[in-house]
Amino acid sequence: GAVVSQHPSWVICKSGTSVKIECRSLDFQATTMFWYRQFPKQSLMLMATSNEGSKATYEQGVEKDKFLINHASLTLSTLTVTSAHPEDSSFYICSALGTSRTDTQYFGPGTRLTVL
Amino acid sequence: AQTVTQSQPEMSVQEAETVTLSCTYDTSESDYYLFWYKQPPSRQMILVIRQEAYKQQNATENRFSVNFQKAAKSFSLKISDSQLGDAAMYFCAYSSNSGYALNFGKGTSLLVTP
Repeated sequence: GAVVSQHPSWVICKSGTSVKIECRSLDFQATTMFWYRQFPKQSLMLMATSNEGSKATYEQGVEKDKFLINHASLTLSTLTVTSAHPEDSSFYICSALGTSRTDTQYFGPGTRLTVL
Repeated sequence: AQTVTQSQPEMSVQEAETVTLSCTYDTSESDYYLFWYKQPPSRQMILVIRQEAYKQQNATENRFSVNFQKAAKSFSLKISDSQLGDAAMYFCAYSSNSGYALNFGKGTSLLVTP
């Protein structure tokens, strides 16, 4: 149980285009999902907290107009990187908290974004 | 803001031996959660063990155990009978409360030699 998927697993896009990354909880409902960013050989940094049916809460320094987060259902959150630039190239990881057990996050496998 | 410090960027252990990874944290809260996550080359984050701060008993999961020292704000991970599959990046993480985001340390890269 407690499986989280991400799609796509790897995406390459041109500078100036937008990319959408999906995060799904497959066998449980998640009221809260988190989006993290990980640069090579570095730790995970929280970008935003996403609650179903409400606006995401962004961490300081994260541009909310650039990283659009939508959490429209209890099993799906999306991160859209708008007008992507090479410096947005990174590994993006989502995690989800279940409705019944909220003390442990379950992570997706991550999405590698490369902006040319 | 809470900070999590992992002072060992790299560690090495021989197969079947025991290794301890260190983690300290800074907080003014009395109730919180601590975690160790493993990130293998696939980059999938895998929960190794978790500890609730209000529990005095150290958590144990098979070959993995922690030494939780609340007063010292220390949370080390001990891996017994190390296996080749234990080679990975290990992250210590802190959560203020149930349902809150994780604050990660910088990680320790564990190498397991035959």
